[in-house]
Amino acid sequence: SQTIHQWPATLVQPVGSPLSLECTVEGTSNPNLYWYRQAAGRGLQLLFYSVGIGQISSEVPQNLSASRPQDRQFILSSKKLLLSDSGFYLCAWTLGSTDTQYFGPGTRLTVL
Amino acid sequence: GESVGLHLPTLSVQEGDNSIINCAYSNSASDYFIWYKQESGKGPQFIIDIRSNMDKRQGQRVTVLLNKTVKHLSLQIAATQPGDSAVYFCYDRGAGNNRKLIWGLGTSLAVNP
Repeated sequence: SQTIHQWPATLVQPVGSPLSLECTVEGTSNPNLYWYRQAAGRGLQLLFYSVGIGQISSEVPQNLSASRPQDRQFILSSKKLLLSDSGFYLCAWTLGSTDTQYFGPGTRLTVL
Repeated sequence: GESVGLHLPTLSVQEGDNSIINCAYSNSASDYFIWYKQESGKGPQFIIDIRSNMDKRQGQRVTVLLNKTVKHLSLQIAATQPGDSAVYFCYDRGAGNNRKLIWGLGTSLAVNP
């Protein structure tokens, strides 16, 4: 069966510090991968998606970036965090033509 | 622009009652919808889906209804239990070659014992 992992689970970072969140999927090949951000009490905002290694599409211009160095690895990064980057970051995957998205456990980021 | 919205941001029900959560969508060409449940501090989980060639689909204690005429989607939960307390999102896959993945704002369901 497929599983999706995210780490860390929680993170507290000062403004201006760098960020690296990692997401990995097991038990499948060539998944479509997604990064979402969710502000407290709000809906899901799609940040990036990837259909393959090195292929990244950005949905929202901001100080975040994403990379996909391996088939089942998706990384969300920032060089300098802003207060507004605080939120719950979710990674999700889908397979090809199927559109059911399966989510990871999320990372709670607090920028102080 | 395309959007998916929720009629009610919060819903409070008594344990054992039936719950109905509504969702409106704007793209008449959208052909696939999913309801997700998100418990506090966790990622959303798939509950049930429906394609546009169907009006109704049933799962275990849940039913999704699709009214394409008024572009309305609903999730019905029978005999609501405390474990059903969560935020429920509707998801619209969009349509066409350039699909836009559209998430509703979410409805928070609170089940009172």
